[in-house]
Amino acid sequence: GAGVSQSPSNKVTEKGKDVELRCDPISGHTALYWYRQRLGQGLEFLIYFQGNSAPDKSGLPSDRFSAERTGESVSTLTIQRTQQEDSAVYLCASSLVKPNTQYFGPGTRLTVL
Amino acid sequence: AQSVTQLDSHVSVSEGTPVLLRCNYSSSYSPSLFWYVQHPNKGLQLLLKYTSAATLVKGINGFEAEFKKSETSFHLTKPSAHMSDAAEYFCVVSDQGAQKLVFGQGTRLTINP
Repeated sequence: GAGVSQSPSNKVTEKGKDVELRCDPISGHTALYWYRQRLGQGLEFLIYFQGNSAPDKSGLPSDRFSAERTGESVSTLTIQRTQQEDSAVYLCASSLVKPNTQYFGPGTRLTVL
Repeated sequence: AQSVTQLDSHVSVSEGTPVLLRCNYSSSYSPSLFWYVQHPNKGLQLLLKYTSAATLVKGINGFEAEFKKSETSFHLTKPSAHMSDAAEYFCVVSDQGAQKLVFGQGTRLTINP
């Protein structure tokens, strides 16, 4: 079946603007995750959604970052008042509860000028 | 707290020779361990995972990894490198039952003809 999809694939924005990144998980996957990958580095956990439970937001770097998920479907990551240090690839993953192997989307490359 | 150390940021081998990518982890509980591969401009792909079954785990494309609790290691190996193996490899840990993945910094594998 279809994998995790993300849009847009690339986003260039100006400092101070808001951006929205979208993730469509694999159908039937109840868990959804957002990660950030800065150039030449590993992935940093941002946020995790599981069903109707309260999301785990412990990885969000500041209050400019927020995310929502509609039921067990699409998720949107919003970055307000973007800064140059927000430039990175933002990756989404989804999984079943068990086994919890995470499957990753292709990512959105965000460049803040 | 969980952490992962990939001991080499860059490994270069000749085609047809063995590959060894080293990973040490720290985890408070029984860990789940993963290796992911990231080809240029492509998404992360799961190579293999360890979840407390057999300590020698076989993955895709001829890769395997051995879980050694006494050494807290989970090194990735392949008997004979192929040009298509050139990519970034990430060692990943999560506590059993936990959802958050903790990524190492990555090892870039270069294959010389």
